Amino acid sequence: AQSVTQPDIHITVSEGASLELRCNYSYGATPYLFWYVQSPGQGLQLLLKYFSGDTLVQGIKGFEAEFKRSQSSFNLRKPSVHWSDAAEYFCAVGTQGAQKLVFGQGTRLTINP
Amino acid sequence: ETGVTQTPRHLVMGMTNKKSLKCEQHLGHNAMYWYKQSAKKPLELMFVYNFKEQTENNSVPSRFSPECPNSSHLFLHLHTLQPEDSALYLCASSQELAISHSPLHFGNGTRLTVT
Repeated sequence: AQSVTQPDIHITVSEGASLELRCNYSYGATPYLFWYVQSPGQGLQLLLKYFSGDTLVQGIKGFEAEFKRSQSSFNLRKPSVHWSDAAEYFCAVGTQGAQKLVFGQGTRLTINP
Repeated sequence: ETGVTQTPRHLVMGMTNKKSLKCEQHLGHNAMYWYKQSAKKPLELMFVYNFKEQTENNSVPSRFSPECPNSSHLFLHLHTLQPEDSALYLCASSQELAISHSPLHFGNGTRLTVT
């Protein structure tokens, strides 16, 4: 069965600094990978997804993620964070034809002014 | 505007109460889901419905009873809950069941507290 690990429970970065959130997955075949963001009091919003093709995917709000099969990783990046990026970020993995996603535990991002 | 609306936003209930959570999606999607989000735990899938038919019950206790009268509405009926059932309950929908082709759209959730 597939699984997702987000090694960092909480990350703090300064506004304007670059950001990388880590995500590692476990699955034998090519996974379908997602990043979601959850602002306080809100549901989850899809940031980006990877199904196939170019391993560097662009998402909303200036985020991107890179699929690295050799490292079983799908890390989320942003070159310069804004205070409004403070939220919880979830990585998720699904399989072809799957009816459900497996979510990581989430990484809470705090932005220092 | 999320496209998936959940009511109420907050609910406090005693262990002997009966209450219901409501979810409505305005996206024309065919599949709907209930997830449970507890502190310090990954999201847990509870139920999946496709064209009003339940396709998955992820070993959820019978004190949680889902109902899907049509593809746009989903309910979660609650009775004799336990304090450990306190959590954020999220509803989601997708165009089709294979989420590899159809990402999930989430509502803002109902924050449930069982006293």
